[in-house]
Order: sequence, then C-alpha cells, then structure tokens
Amino acid sequence: KNQVEQSPQSLIILEGKNCTLQCNYTVSPFSNLRWYKQDTGRGPVSLTIMTFSENTKSNGRYTATLDADTKQSSLHITASQLSDSASYICVGGYGQNFVFGPGTRLSVLP
Amino acid sequence: DAGVIQSPRHEVTEMGQEVTLRCKPISGHDYLFWYRQTMMRGLELLIYFNNNVPIDDSGMPEDRFSAKMPNASFSTLKIQPSEPRDSAVYFCASASGQITEAFFGQGTRLTVV
Repeated sequence: KNQVEQSPQSLIILEGKNCTLQCNYTVSPFSNLRWYKQDTGRGPVSLTIMTFSENTKSNGRYTATLDADTKQSSLHITASQLSDSASYICVGGYGQNFVFGPGTRLSVLP
Repeated sequence: DAGVIQSPRHEVTEMGQEVTLRCKPISGHDYLFWYRQTMMRGLELLIYFNNNVPIDDSGMPEDRFSAKMPNASFSTLKIQPSEPRDSAVYFCASASGQITEAFFGQGTRLTVV
C-alpha cells in the first residue's frame, strides 16, 4: 500500500532555532519527493521538488534531503521565523500522481 | 497571472442538494487536480486531468462525485446528492509538465448540514 508517514505530528520551537522534520515513504512507482507548506486556511505551497536521483535541495532557509535507498526524506528549517508556523506536508509520487503525508504542524513562538 | 482561482470560497448546503465547485487553472498549465482535505484523512487526490482528459479518477469516492474539464481554462467538481460526510475543503491545483510544482487555489470550504 502506498503511504507517506511524517514525524513528529507537531512541533513547537522558539524563533531563531533550527528544526528538522522527517518523512518516510512507501510509494511505488516513485520518481519524486516534494515538500509543501500550508498556512492555516490557505492552499499548500511548494517548497522543494526532488527527483529520485537528487540528495538535497534548498529553497532559502529550507533544505530538503532525500535518501531513496532508505526511502526517507527530511526538511530542515534554519533560523526559524514566526511566519514558518504552518503545516509541512511531505509528498511522494510518480510524475504528477502522488501520495500526501499527514503533515507536521510547526509552531514558532517568539 | 492571478493563480488558480476557485469559487465559491465557502458553500453551505443542505443534505441532498447538488453542489458545484469551480476552478480556473493557471493559463498554460496542462495538468489540473482536484483534492479534498479533512482533519481525519488529510489531503486526498480525487481526480486529475491532463490536457482536459481525465487520467486518474480512482480517488473519486462515489458515483455522487463527478468532474469535468470542458476546456483548458475551466473545470467543475459536482456532488449530487450531497451528504454531511462530504464536508471538507476542496482544493484545485494546476501544473505544467510531469515533475513540476503544482499551484493550489485557495480552496472551497464545503459544509453539508
């Protein structure tokens, strides 16, 4: 069964701190792994897209890693800001056909 | 470009009524997706189109749900008859190409009472 798991379910950190979100996926066929950020009441916004041959990709303070052998990905957020408070969703798939994880709810406190 | 435009933003309807959700994708995008998001199940793909043709509708929950894309700039998701368990936020997204970023609309929050 295709599925994507994320941990932790929720996370609270102080502004300025770093954090890492985890994603394990069992998706076949597999060609790409995506991370989305979803603010409350808004649609998801793409942060990174990695193909199976890529190990890391950065988008500003966001850095995603991918290990296709262990089927694991992580999203590292550096120097967190209040605006980083959101749900972060890991998505695995083939082409434009993908499976969404349940998301990690991140709260950044002042 | 204004992005993916969905209407209405909110819809409250009585059980048994027909509901039609609308989506205008980003101009030039050849993929269009309909998703449903609930607290219990997260984001689920309902159906997606490529060049106006439905490619995968395996996520459509029942025959009560139907989606059309009559042209490259418009799509509808219809629920008839609606039930309380259909209450959710429905997102439309569009993309250009196989492995490219999908852009989401603001969503339609549907409440069936």
